[in-house]
Amino acid sequence: TQLLEQSPQFLSIQEGENLTVYCNSSSVFSSLQWYRQEPGEGPVLLVTVVTGGEVKKLKRLTFQFGDARKDSSLHITAAQPGDTGLYLCAGAGGTASKLTFGTGTRLQVTL
Amino acid sequence: KAGVTQTPRYLIKTRGQQVTLSCSPISGHRSVSWYQQTPGQGLQFLFEYFSETQRNKGNFPGRFSGRQFSNSRSEMNVSTLELGDSALYLCASSIRDPGSGYTFGSGTRLTVV
Repeated sequence: TQLLEQSPQFLSIQEGENLTVYCNSSSVFSSLQWYRQEPGEGPVLLVTVVTGGEVKKLKRLTFQFGDARKDSSLHITAAQPGDTGLYLCAGAGGTASKLTFGTGTRLQVTL
Repeated sequence: KAGVTQTPRYLIKTRGQQVTLSCSPISGHRSVSWYQQTPGQGLQFLFEYFSETQRNKGNFPGRFSGRQFSNSRSEMNVSTLELGDSALYLCASSIRDPGSGYTFGSGTRLTVV
């Protein structure tokens, strides 16, 4: 069974601070995705990374896929209240017809 | 283009009843997946369909079933509802497989009383 552990589980920070969310597994994934979910809505895809060591940037968000394709990180620079939400990583493993989701990181950014 | 549409948005059912949830994927998306989301367990995979065939199934009891129609629309059914089935049920579609990224619907909030 593939498991994805995210840390921290909860994060409450002030506007302007930087933060990093981690997604770790003992399994190798062919690709890894990050989603953000707001209350009452479904998750929204932020990025997909497929190559070990790959780094992708989306405005103030930087995503990295580990060299061994077992872990990933999401770094947010100068967080804003609009970044508030539940961040989920998800890995595609041996079977491409299924994604395994991480445990989630709930981020609260206050003024 | 229209997103993934799930109906209904909210549902209240009594223990022992059955329920059918509907999902219309993005036009051209042939893969449809279903997930159950609860505060304690997070997102748990139910099943995935592609071209009317179930390609993968999660570890849920047989009370949970699904199907996909020729137009890629999908339904999931839960029979003999239990209190523990209360959850947000999410449908997601992708062009060919989830590895290319999902587009999720807003979900159906099911409450079993």
